[in-house]
Amino acid sequence: EAGVAQSPRYKIIEKRQSVAFWCNPISGHATLYWYQQILGQGPKLLIQFQNNGVVDDSQLPKDRFSAERLKGVDSTLKIQPAKLEDSAVYLCASSSRDQNTGELFFGEGSRLTVL
Amino acid sequence: QKEVEQDPGPLSVPEGAIVSLNCTYSNSAFQYFMWYRQYSRKGPELLMYTYSSGNKEDGRFTAQVDKSSKYISLFIRDSQPSDSATYLCAMKKAAGNKLTFGGGTRVLVKP
Repeated sequence: EAGVAQSPRYKIIEKRQSVAFWCNPISGHATLYWYQQILGQGPKLLIQFQNNGVVDDSQLPKDRFSAERLKGVDSTLKIQPAKLEDSAVYLCASSSRDQNTGELFFGEGSRLTVL
Repeated sequence: QKEVEQDPGPLSVPEGAIVSLNCTYSNSAFQYFMWYRQYSRKGPELLMYTYSSGNKEDGRFTAQVDKSSKYISLFIRDSQPSDSATYLCAMKKAAGNKLTFGGGTRVLVKP
């Protein structure tokens, strides 16, 4: 079974530029998450989709971050304009409907450096 | 104050030693407790999960939850160099799927 795919793996941009990350979840997983992991910290949820609807985006900085999940499969996370504090690893995860195990399947992440 | 606190380490132990990790939390609504392992430049992967209070054992790993103290632990017996990673505790409430993670503890097992 293929895992969660993310691209690009690494991205370096200057502040005020824009960047987009792509995620392809495990086939059949209805729930998709974007997490931000700053160096030395645990992942922080940015947004959660159930199929193509948003379940939770309470911690998404909506003035600069946006995300979409068209057709309930792939997802894109965009940052515009980027700030220095956005330097982090952006992790995409997916899960099936049975959530009680708390098992999220994570991709390897997209590492963003903002200069 | 963060909802979930975890000592960042690093925790360095010799091969074969017992590794002891823990997290404290403040939100009594958390009902499900997990431990994720994250290797360098990889995404986290689920190691163990526990519902409510009690112990759970899986091979060399034992997870403990003490809800009265809002304290969870993970023990790794007979540690191996391949156990060197960052260990993240995570928790969720009964309803919904949102996980709240601790900051992670870096563990280094020396041969």
